[in-house]
Amino acid sequence: NAGVMQNPRHLVRRRGQEARLRCSPMKGHSHVYWYRQLPEEGLKFMVYLQKENIIDESGMPKERFSAEFPKEGPSILRIQQVVRGDSAAYFCASSQRTGFGTDTQYFGPGTRLTVL
Amino acid sequence: AQSVTQLGSHVSVSEGALVLLRCNYSSSVPPYLFWYVQYPNQGLQLLLKYTTGATLVKGINGFEAEFKKSETSFHLTKPSAHMSDAAEYFCAVCEDTGRRALTFGSGTRLQVQP
Repeated sequence: NAGVMQNPRHLVRRRGQEARLRCSPMKGHSHVYWYRQLPEEGLKFMVYLQKENIIDESGMPKERFSAEFPKEGPSILRIQQVVRGDSAAYFCASSQRTGFGTDTQYFGPGTRLTVL
Repeated sequence: AQSVTQLGSHVSVSEGALVLLRCNYSSSVPPYLFWYVQYPNQGLQLLLKYTTGATLVKGINGFEAEFKKSETSFHLTKPSAHMSDAAEYFCAVCEDTGRRALTFGSGTRLQVQP
């Protein structure tokens, strides 16, 4: 059973360009979470999605950032008009809703975004 | 609001020595607690978790952690460090309120000296 897949693993963008990060959850998982890790810091929650629904986006910056998890295909985290401060590692996690106490999140390898 | 404090951003131990990584949390409701390990340029791997029941939790690679409600702590231990344990360790909390986001501590980098 493949784990959480993220691509690309590394992404370089110039200021003002768009970045699209993809996440395929583990098989059978219908919940996806995005986290951002700035250098020398812990992970910070951004958004929680289920298929076709955004459940909690309280950690998302108000502008330039959006996320989706369509019925078919991977979840996408989109950053428009990137700035240097967006440089970070972006991690996706997925979980299977079997009951809250066992709702463990499994993490992908991350996408490291560098903005020049 | 929930929060996690990891005391010591860097911990260095000798191979074979006891590993103790500290984690204290703040939560207004009974928490679920997790320890994750991150190797360089990799994602996070779950070491162990506490949800309910026994307060001493055993995880992978010989690690264990004890939930102490009175001390609001969830310290991670391993009796004997191995070189392969060198990594960054993150403590995380999730409240049983329906909001499923994990709140992470800032991490502790463990060095193991030969």
